[in-house]
Amino acid sequence: GQQVMQIPQYQHVQEGEDFTTYCNSSTTLSNIQWYKQRPGGHPVFLIQLVKSGEVKKQKRLTFQFGEAKKNSSLHITATQTTDVGTYFCAGGGGSNYKLTFGKGTLLTVNP
Amino acid sequence: DAMVIQNPRYQVTQFGKPVTLSCSQTLNHNVMYWYQQKSSQAPKLLFHYYDKDFNNEADTPDNFQSRRPNTSFCFLDIRSPGLGDAAMYLCATSRDAGTQETQYFGPGTRLLVL
Repeated sequence: GQQVMQIPQYQHVQEGEDFTTYCNSSTTLSNIQWYKQRPGGHPVFLIQLVKSGEVKKQKRLTFQFGEAKKNSSLHITATQTTDVGTYFCAGGGGSNYKLTFGKGTLLTVNP
Repeated sequence: DAMVIQNPRYQVTQFGKPVTLSCSQTLNHNVMYWYQQKSSQAPKLLFHYYDKDFNNEADTPDNFQSRRPNTSFCFLDIRSPGLGDAAMYLCATSRDAGTQETQYFGPGTRLLVL
């Protein structure tokens, strides 16, 4: 079945440093979604990428979808303490309903 | 505000004692999902309803059942909770079927099994 690998599992940065998390799928995806889960919270939708090579920006966050639609990345510029949380990618394209979640990257930021 | 609500937020049960978790939504979405999330892991889909059609994941234990009496409500029943069932249970909704639909998650119910 479809698998989505996400690295790194953990990332600790100093406030102001950049951060990137990567996702790779074993199969071509129809779309990829990114969610953020704060400690003790629930996943919150950030963005969806659909087109090959698509790049979207949300303030300091940049999301990319690979040309082959099998990989994606989330880059945060100049991290802040409010960026702390686990970032999950979730790929669509297997069954009609199911999003396959990566294991997430836990970002901690040292003020 | 339209939202996904889960009750209770924390649930303590005894080993083997049936427990029911509830989810309601004011988004009028067609699809409702139940996920299990253990510490430091990704959410794991247990099953989902598309309207009244129930779809079980192949690896979801028989111990887990679900009911959706109407569009707004969905319940997760754990018939005989084991220690391994202690987890956060997340309810999510999407407007329609299809993996391009955004999922909206509730705050979750954290289940503790003693």
